[in-house]
Amino acid sequence: DVKVTQSSRYLVKRTGEKVFLECVQDMDHENMFWYRQDPGLGLRLIYFSYDVKMKEKGDIPEGYSVSREKKERFSLILESASTNQTSMYLCASSLQYYGYTFGSGTRLTVV
Amino acid sequence: GESVGLHLPTLSVQEGDNSIINCAYSNSASDYFIWYKQESGKGPQFIIDIRSNMDKRQGQRVTVLLNKTVKHLSLQIAATQPGDSAVYFCAERSNDYKLSFGAGTTVTVRA
Repeated sequence: DVKVTQSSRYLVKRTGEKVFLECVQDMDHENMFWYRQDPGLGLRLIYFSYDVKMKEKGDIPEGYSVSREKKERFSLILESASTNQTSMYLCASSLQYYGYTFGSGTRLTVV
Repeated sequence: GESVGLHLPTLSVQEGDNSIINCAYSNSASDYFIWYKQESGKGPQFIIDIRSNMDKRQGQRVTVLLNKTVKHLSLQIAATQPGDSAVYFCAERSNDYKLSFGAGTTVTVRA
C-alpha cells in the first residue's frame, strides 16, 4: 500500500515563526498536494506539484510556499505563521490519473 | 468556478439500516469521481471511485451511483455499522490531475 507520511501529528507554534510541514510518499507518485481543512469549508488546495522542482499555486496560496527537491518529499512552509493559519493540514499524492492517497494530517495551532 | 457539494451536512442512521449520502457536482466535464471517508483524527481514506462512462459501481457494502443528467453522485452503504461513523467526502476531477472536494457529510450511526 502507498504510504504518505506527515512528519508531525500535532504542532504548536508562535505567531511570526517560520514553520515547516514535511510530507513523504513511498510509491514514486508524480503528483503531490497540500490542503488545509477547516470546519464547514472542506478541503482547500494550497499548493501542488506535478514533478520535482515544480510547483503550482492552488486556491489559497497566500502566506505559504512549498519545496519539492526530491520526488518523494513535498514540504509546506509558513513563512511567518499567523493565528488564521491554525488548521488541519493534509498532504496527498497520486499517480497521473488516479485518486489521492492522503497522509494522517498535521494539526497546527498558532498562538 | 466549479464546486462539489453535499446535500446534507449531517446524517443520522440506525445501525443495520442502509445509508445514502448525496453529492451534487457542477462541472459537466468532470470524468472521474471518488468517495472518501475520514474518521476522527485521521486523513481521508479512499472508499470507491467511478468514471463518467459508468453509472454504477459496487464495492464491499458500498455502491456509488452517478447520474450525469442531473450531475448527481451518491454513496450507498449497506447494513450500516458503528465503524461507518465518519465524515464522507465526494470529489470530482475535471480537466487536470486535481480533485475538487465537497464540504463533507458527517454520518452518525445510532446503536
